[in-house]
Amino acid sequence: GENVEQHPSTLSVQEGDSAVIKCTYSDSASNYFPWYKQELGKRPQLIIDIRSNVGEKKDQRIAVTLNKTAKHFSLHITETQPEDSAVYFCAASRGAYGNKLVFGAGTILRVKS
Amino acid sequence: EPEVTQTPSHQVTQMGQEVILRCVPISNHLYFYWYRQILGQKVEFLVSFYNNEISEKSEIFDDQFSVERPDGSNFTLKIRSTKLEDSAMYFCASKSTSGRIDTQYFGPGTRLTVL
Repeated sequence: GENVEQHPSTLSVQEGDSAVIKCTYSDSASNYFPWYKQELGKRPQLIIDIRSNVGEKKDQRIAVTLNKTAKHFSLHITETQPEDSAVYFCAASRGAYGNKLVFGAGTILRVKS
Repeated sequence: EPEVTQTPSHQVTQMGQEVILRCVPISNHLYFYWYRQILGQKVEFLVSFYNNEISEKSEIFDDQFSVERPDGSNFTLKIRSTKLEDSAMYFCASKSTSGRIDTQYFGPGTRLTVL
């Protein structure tokens, strides 16, 4: 069945450093890849997403890259700040209409000040 | 900005009891979802719902589960006879059919504790 693998499970960085989280997906029909940030006890919040017709997308300090051939995508956070500390989930979907999100296991990001 | 809302925020129930979790999706959204997250684990898909019927359901969504859109605003998840392993955070999500048609917006969740 569909599966999304996410690494690492935990990541500690110094404030100001960059953080990279990687995901691979199994369903070759997936064409939409969102990233969600979840703070303790709160709802997952979409922070950035990418569609399969694009290789890279950037939004201020956050960027996502997609390699369709290798079926992997990555989240890059530059100039990390303490408020970036959270759990980050990648997900994959067949996109529009009713299609479900298949989530990775999550990465606990700790930014040390 | 409109948000998905869910009630209650926390539900404690005895094993074998029925529970109903309630969601109010964003008003112009037509796709609705339930996901669950067991403590410390990934978010798992349960069911999607469109045009008053289930679009897709996972293996988790067995005969003990049902969903309903009883009126124009609410979307509910019913668990008929709760089990200990149903203890989890349950998230509702909704999605539009125009604009950002891929993006699912999540509610704050209902923490279900089965004793």
